[in-house]
Amino acid sequence: EVHLVESGGGLVQPGGSLRLSCAASGFTFSSYEMNWVRQAPGKGLEWVSYISSSATTIYYADSVKGRFTISRDNAKNSLFLQMNSLRAEDTAVYYCARGPTNGWFYFDYWGQGTLVTGSS
Amino acid sequence: DIQMTQSPSSLSASVGDRVTITCRASQGISNSLAWYQQKPGKAPKLLLYATSRLESGVPSRFSGSGFGTDYTLTISSLQPEDFATYYCQQYSKTPLTFGGGTKVEIK
Repeated sequence: EVHLVESGGGLVQPGGSLRLSCAASGFTFSSYEMNWVRQAPGKGLEWVSYISSSATTIYYADSVKGRFTISRDNAKNSLFLQMNSLRAEDTAVYYCARGPTNGWFYFDYWGQGTLVTGSS
Repeated sequence: DIQMTQSPSSLSASVGDRVTITCRASQGISNSLAWYQQKPGKAPKLLLYATSRLESGVPSRFSGSGFGTDYTLTISSLQPEDFATYYCQQYSKTPLTFGGGTKVEIK
């Protein structure tokens, strides 16, 4: 069974940094593209970043470009999101989400999310 | 960026009703559309992809259609477990974008 478990969220002051992790199990992690998607409290879904299976291709939303860095460790079945220069508007639940094997850019499995709160 | 406009933003319906949710893209997305269901406090769940392909394990009362810029999610006979918020998502181009959501509530 596919499991994605995010961790690393918490309260951070504006301008601060945080590193999110996503531990994957139940599938061959190194064969799958991965994403981060966030959801501000009471709001809709916003895609944040994508990384290909071998980390050779990476995309970011304009709202986080230059501040966030996605990475992965296939040997440890883990996905990461380094978040720097955090802003209040980055407050959200952050989900890691798996891409399907067909190469299309939707999300077939999601973790339960980790809450990041940017507040002074 | 491709903007996705969902309508309605909310609706009230009864068990057994037929429910239709629409999603309009700001440009053609070549059937590169997925639908998700989200219940309060839970992660989204994939329902359909490529406009009309049902994800494994999803009940057949869910169906999708559309082409070009206009797409539809239909629930043929609403069940108690279907009360949730539904989102469309285009994956034709990055940035990947979602509709604003449709909350389906009990009448």
